[in-house]
Amino acid sequence: EDQVTQSPEALRLQEGESSSLNCSYTVSGLRGLFWYRQDPGKGPEFLFTLYSAGEEKEKERLKATLTKKESFLHITAPKPEDSATYLCAVPQAPGSGNTGKLIFGQGTTLQVKP
Amino acid sequence: KAGVTQTPRYLIKTRGQQVTLSCSPISGHRSVSWYQQTPGQGLQFLFEYFSETQRNKGNFPGRFSGRQFSNSRSEMNVSTLELGDSALYLCASSPRTGSNQPQHFGDGTRLSIL
Repeated sequence: EDQVTQSPEALRLQEGESSSLNCSYTVSGLRGLFWYRQDPGKGPEFLFTLYSAGEEKEKERLKATLTKKESFLHITAPKPEDSATYLCAVPQAPGSGNTGKLIFGQGTTLQVKP
Repeated sequence: KAGVTQTPRYLIKTRGQQVTLSCSPISGHRSVSWYQQTPGQGLQFLFEYFSETQRNKGNFPGRFSGRQFSNSRSEMNVSTLELGDSALYLCASSPRTGSNQPQHFGDGTRLSIL
């Protein structure tokens, strides 16, 4: 069964304290892995797409990497405005009728204190 | 470019009533997916519409239904509301169905059942 697991569930950092969030997945025929950021009361905001093992994407203080079994979201020198829930998702395994469905992890809630 | 627009943002209903939620996708996007988000279950896929046809359906009862119009706008309907239907309902759009491109989300409709 397709599954996405994120860890840790919650993470508290001091401003400037770098760390990494983990997303492990089991899906046959991976067609991409997506990272989103969600602020309270808002919908998920798209951050990155990774398609193949070894691929990396960067945006400001965030860098996403992908291996054959997991992805990491590295946060370098975070600021309080980076506080949010970070979600990763993969498309459902390809097959008849399997379209439009993303399988999400439970998310990591990050709090960055000044 | 305008993002995904969902209306209304908030709804309060009582058990047994029905509700209709609306979603306008990003201009040019023809695939619309719906998700239910709750603290316990996270983001769960409801269904996907493309070219006015339901292409995929999640594991939800028949009380949950949807449709898509020729301009790609979509609505979802929940009949005979139950307390457990209280959730954030999110709509996401992408250019086409069956692709490995990311979905872009609206800010959702917060549905509360009394």
